[in-house]
Formats: sequence, structure tokens, C-alpha cells
Amino acid sequence: NAGVTQTPKFQVLKTGQSMTLQCAQDMNHNSMYWYRQDPGMGLRLIYYSASEGTTDKGEVPNGYNVSRLNKREFSLRLESAAPSQTSVYFCASSEAAVRAHTFGSGTRLTVV
Amino acid sequence: GENVGLHLPTLSVQEGDNSIINCAYSNSASDYFIWYKQESGKGPQFIIDIRSNMDKRQGQRVTVLLNKTVKHLSLQIAATQPGDSAVYFCAEISGGYQKVTFGIGTKLQVIP
Repeated sequence: NAGVTQTPKFQVLKTGQSMTLQCAQDMNHNSMYWYRQDPGMGLRLIYYSASEGTTDKGEVPNGYNVSRLNKREFSLRLESAAPSQTSVYFCASSEAAVRAHTFGSGTRLTVV
Repeated sequence: GENVGLHLPTLSVQEGDNSIINCAYSNSASDYFIWYKQESGKGPQFIIDIRSNMDKRQGQRVTVLLNKTVKHLSLQIAATQPGDSAVYFCAEISGGYQKVTFGIGTKLQVIP
């Protein structure tokens, strides 16, 4: 059982570069989420998708875009990376909106 | 809420002893609470949950207690093992299951 798979695991970007973080789940979950985790702070929601075909902003959406490609996949795009986006990013999924999440293993992103 | 300092609160426990990890939540109207465990370099993992109409729930070696009067949640781990070493954080769900707020966590260190 793969659960939630995120790629890449590590990435270093220069300021202004763009990239897409990929996430896929194989549990047939309806809801998917992108969080960032910074030292001394709880997980903060960037964007979520309550169901296929819908996406909504979370607490910290600025500088990010998302695509719910199909039920399995939910990608996060940084169009022009900034040092403030240096963080660990987690994708998660759940059966229904705002239930216990299953998390991926994270992407550690550094923007220099 | 919990300590928002840069360094996580740390609890050191002797192997075999019981551990109690605490969480103060902010919203008296929160419906549902979850405890997660996060090992170093990994994504958070669901441990146990409890709904607001309950005050205690038990799992395997873990018990969650909810005190709505003082907005306090605790996780008790019986016979703590080295594999329990991790960061533990709580999540509160409110707004009719529409909003999730994560705590910053407590680091549990098990002393062999």
C-alpha cells in the first residue's frame, strides 16, 4: 500500500524559478490537501481540494497554485519561488473533507 | 494554544514509564480532535481521534482525554518504548468539520 506519494523528496531552487510538487494517493480518497511545515509553527494549509474538480484556498495560498488533475493526483506549483517559501511541504488525503489525514513523506524545499 | 517558540517543548521519559502529552486548544466549538505522531524525516501519522461528545477514548497503548471545560486535550502512552520517540501534535477541527488547526507539537524523547 503506497498511500500518499510525493515527489520530489528534496529540491533546491533559485529565487524566481518555478517548479511543481507532485502528489498522488491510491486510497480512493475524495479530499486532498497541501500543507507547509515551518519550525515553531503548526502545519499550515496552503490549498485543498474537497473533491475532484474543486480547489479552495487555505490559510497561506499566496505564491502557490494547485491542480486537481484527477481523483488521485493533486499538484502544487510555485510560479516564482521566494526564500520565504523555503519549507517542508506535505500532501495529505482523507476520505471526506476535514477527516483524519493520511500524509505523504514530505518535500524539503530550499529557495536560495 | 501551545508554545509558539522556535523550539518544541520536549518531554523526556524513561523507557517503560507512561507518557502524558498535553495540548491546549483554542476553539470551544471544535467538533473533533486528532493526535498525530511525526517521526524525524517523515510525514505525520494518525494515532487516535476523539469527538467533542466524548471525554475519553482508548486505543492500543494510547488514551486520549478531552476536557472541554478548560479546552485541554491529552495523549497518554502506556509503557513508553524507544519507537515512541517522535513529535506528537494535536489537531482540532471546527466550523462543522470545515477548519483544521494544528498545534506545533511536543517532542517525546524516550531514554533507554
